[in-house]
Amino acid sequence: EAGVAQSPRYKIIEKRQSVAFWCNPISGHATLYWYQQILGQGPKLLIQFQNNGVVDDSQLPKDRFSAERLKGVDSTLKIQPAKLEDSAVYLCASSFSSFRTDTQYFGPGTRLTVL
Amino acid sequence: AQSVTQLGSHVSVSEGALVLLRCNYSSSVPPYLFWYVQYPNQGLQLLLKYTSAATLVKGINGFEAEFKKSETSFHLTKPSAHMSDAAEYFCAVSTDAGGTSYGKLTFGQGTILTVHP
Repeated sequence: EAGVAQSPRYKIIEKRQSVAFWCNPISGHATLYWYQQILGQGPKLLIQFQNNGVVDDSQLPKDRFSAERLKGVDSTLKIQPAKLEDSAVYLCASSFSSFRTDTQYFGPGTRLTVL
Repeated sequence: AQSVTQLGSHVSVSEGALVLLRCNYSSSVPPYLFWYVQYPNQGLQLLLKYTSAATLVKGINGFEAEFKKSETSFHLTKPSAHMSDAAEYFCAVSTDAGGTSYGKLTFGQGTILTVHP
């Protein structure tokens, strides 16, 4: 089966610019996650969707970050305006359901560099 | 709150030697624990997971981990390291998202494994 797809793979922008990342989860997976992975750290959950509803966005900087999952499939994560500290890899993951034992499948990530 | 601590940000072994990557967790509820591997410029791939069945869990590529409640540990081992095992390894605990029944992962800081010929 096809894995989680993400684009672009790399993005370089200047601070205060905006950027958007796209994710296509594994077909049939109801739950979608966006993580931020700063160099040298483990991934940190930004937002979790169950179908097209938000389950948890407690660690999403809502003054600059936004995400949507229209029609419960693809998702877009946006940053506007970007700051230097947003430089990180943004990982998208999906799972069949939201049960605590479900395996999350990760995409290759988008590496963002903010200059 | 649930958390994970990985002891040792870097581990170096010789090819053929035992691999031991340490993970300790803190959880107020019965934990579900995961080990993921990340190769350069790739996403995370599941190695194995503990979901309260057998305490010794076998995963892919010859890795296994043992859940020890008394020690709050879930260390990852492999009897004989291979050059292809060089990667970064993450331990994670599944917690409740926002106090709901939904699960979410809290990751440790990661351990970079280097394998020498």
